[in-house]
Amino acid sequence: GAGVSQSPRYKVAKRGQDVALRCDPISGHVSLFWYQQALGQGPEFLTYFQNEAQLDKSGLPSDRFFAERPEGSVSTLKIQRTQQEDSAVYLCASSLEVPGTQYFGPGTRLLVL
Amino acid sequence: DAKTTQPPSMDCAEGRAANLPCNHSTISGNEYVYWYRQIHSQGPQYIIHGLKNNETNEMASLIITEDRKSSTLILPHATLRDTAVYYCIAGTDKLIFGTGTRLQVFP
Repeated sequence: GAGVSQSPRYKVAKRGQDVALRCDPISGHVSLFWYQQALGQGPEFLTYFQNEAQLDKSGLPSDRFFAERPEGSVSTLKIQRTQQEDSAVYLCASSLEVPGTQYFGPGTRLLVL
Repeated sequence: DAKTTQPPSMDCAEGRAANLPCNHSTISGNEYVYWYRQIHSQGPQYIIHGLKNNETNEMASLIITEDRKSSTLILPHATLRDTAVYYCIAGTDKLIFGTGTRLQVFP
């Protein structure tokens, strides 16, 4: 079975552009998580879905960050008016249940120039 | 979620056991102890988790103290491919990663 996939793997954006990052979780996994990992740091929690419901968005750094999972499967993390400090690897993870093991995708490396 | 404390780095000779400690003295009764590792430029990889009892799988063993305030991840026969950053996390849903332990396995 396929693992968590993310696209694109790399994204270069000009400051001020909007970007959309996609996550395809493992089929049947109820929960989906987004994390942000800056260079040299551990991943930091952004937001969490159970099916289509966003249960926790306490980690989103500003209102420029928005996540959705409209049908309880694929999720999109959108960043509006990107800034240089948004440059990071964005990781998606899914789990069958909570609490439960989270399986991570390879991440999307975002570079904002 | 409980905060965890790990040594910043450790070395281990190839073929020897690697014992990675973690302190989680403020862990709550319903929080699990999870271990993940991250090899450069890859997403974190799940290793093992436990609540109260010691656990073993094909990758590693997890020893949790009786008071649950600390744990040790054991890689029984470390290989060069085990070189990575190892994260110990105490939690239930969202994972709070610290800075982890950078394990270097040398020949």
